[in-house]
Amino acid sequence: LAKTTQPISMDSYEGQEVNITCSHNNIATNDYITWYQQFPSQGPRFIIQGYKTKVTNEVASLFIPADRKSSTLSLPRVSLSDTAVYYCLVGDMNEAGGGNKLTFGTGTQLKVEL
Amino acid sequence: ETGVTQSPTHLIKTRGQQVTLRCSSQSGHNTVSWYQQALGQGPQFIFQYYREEENGRGNFPPRFSGLQFPNYSSELNVNALELDDSALYLCASSLPGGNEKLFFGSGTQLSVL
Repeated sequence: LAKTTQPISMDSYEGQEVNITCSHNNIATNDYITWYQQFPSQGPRFIIQGYKTKVTNEVASLFIPADRKSSTLSLPRVSLSDTAVYYCLVGDMNEAGGGNKLTFGTGTQLKVEL
Repeated sequence: ETGVTQSPTHLIKTRGQQVTLRCSSQSGHNTVSWYQQALGQGPQFIFQYYREEENGRGNFPPRFSGLQFPNYSSELNVNALELDDSALYLCASSLPGGNEKLFFGSGTQLSVL
């Protein structure tokens, strides 16, 4: 499994755009990149997933450069409720059998203030 | 709401005891994964069940065992509890496939005294 490195914490203010970058230098050809969000005393929640270039959904965008050695999660106009831990994961899309078996790192604690 | 339910929500045990945690997966999901999350750490993969068979295991000793039932619900059993087993135990269900998103329950907070 490719190892990921992301900042331990980030601070922001309401209404700002937040970009969290994850480094995954040894990403493999079959690996995809997934981000999860976790609030205290809850399980992680899927945010976005991508393989290359840019992916956008209703809550975030994911930017992946051509070499795929890093990725950036972009949260537009954050609010207090976006305060959470954000995890970047890299896993094999061709994993045999059922489901994925991703292991999470320590994540990035995002704190949004007024 | 993910549709994944775990019970109990909290549990206190003493060292050496055994514990069983339960998980009901989201409708239509036949794959269940269990994770252990210590305070301040990310979730660590324990094992996964697919169609009632163990399908991958993380770096956890054999005293961590599990079951999956025909309705895809699952149990996590931990024998001979140790103090370091104190953690949030998370269950996640998904469809089969390496890039399927995981749907997590809210977890069971286990305290071992």
